[in-house]
Amino acid sequence: DVKVTQSSRYLVKRTGEKVFLECVQDMDHENMFWYRQDPGLGLRLIYFSYDVKMKEKGDIPEGYSVSREKKERFSLILESASTNQTSMYLCASSTGNQPQHFGDGTRLSIL
Amino acid sequence: ELKVEQNPLFLSMQEGKNYTIYCNYSTTSDRLYWYRQDPGKSLESLFVLLSNGAVKQEGRLMASLDTKARLSTLHITAAVHDLSATYFCAVDIWGYGGSQGNLIFGKGTKLSVKP
Repeated sequence: DVKVTQSSRYLVKRTGEKVFLECVQDMDHENMFWYRQDPGLGLRLIYFSYDVKMKEKGDIPEGYSVSREKKERFSLILESASTNQTSMYLCASSTGNQPQHFGDGTRLSIL
Repeated sequence: ELKVEQNPLFLSMQEGKNYTIYCNYSTTSDRLYWYRQDPGKSLESLFVLLSNGAVKQEGRLMASLDTKARLSTLHITAAVHDLSATYFCAVDIWGYGGSQGNLIFGKGTKLSVKP
């Protein structure tokens, strides 16, 4: 079974902090994705990557950056956290036309 | 603009009843996915539909895809309480400015099955 592991289930940070969310997958998938999920808005794509060191902006990249130095790891970075970035963050990976496999999510609160 | 629209967004059903969730999309994609999400949990893949006319069934759920109509349906037969969850459809936008595997999600249908 594909395993997508997100480093934290719950995280509380302060406004202005730099925040790192880590995601690791164990199936050698080339594609990796970061979404945020908010009530009434569904899933919105922040960034995705289809290869090591490659990254593409999704629908809402402002205030975020990403890093993919190794194939199995995709990191989401909040450069200077703000309260409107309080959300559930979901990481996913996929290959070819197979479905995306999701991690358990990180519920991030910015105070 | 690429859109994926689900309806209804909220569905309250009685156990034993049948119902259908609809997923309309604005591209000509022939790849569509259905996911389930339980409260507080992540998304779980249910069905992968990769061609026009594709039909997949698992237990009381059946999904179909009509690429000409740009429509997928998720049919629930004789609902039971365990099916209560939020269901998402997602369309692959590969070939429309997206890389393979890049999905656009609907907003989800929150299903509640009552005794």
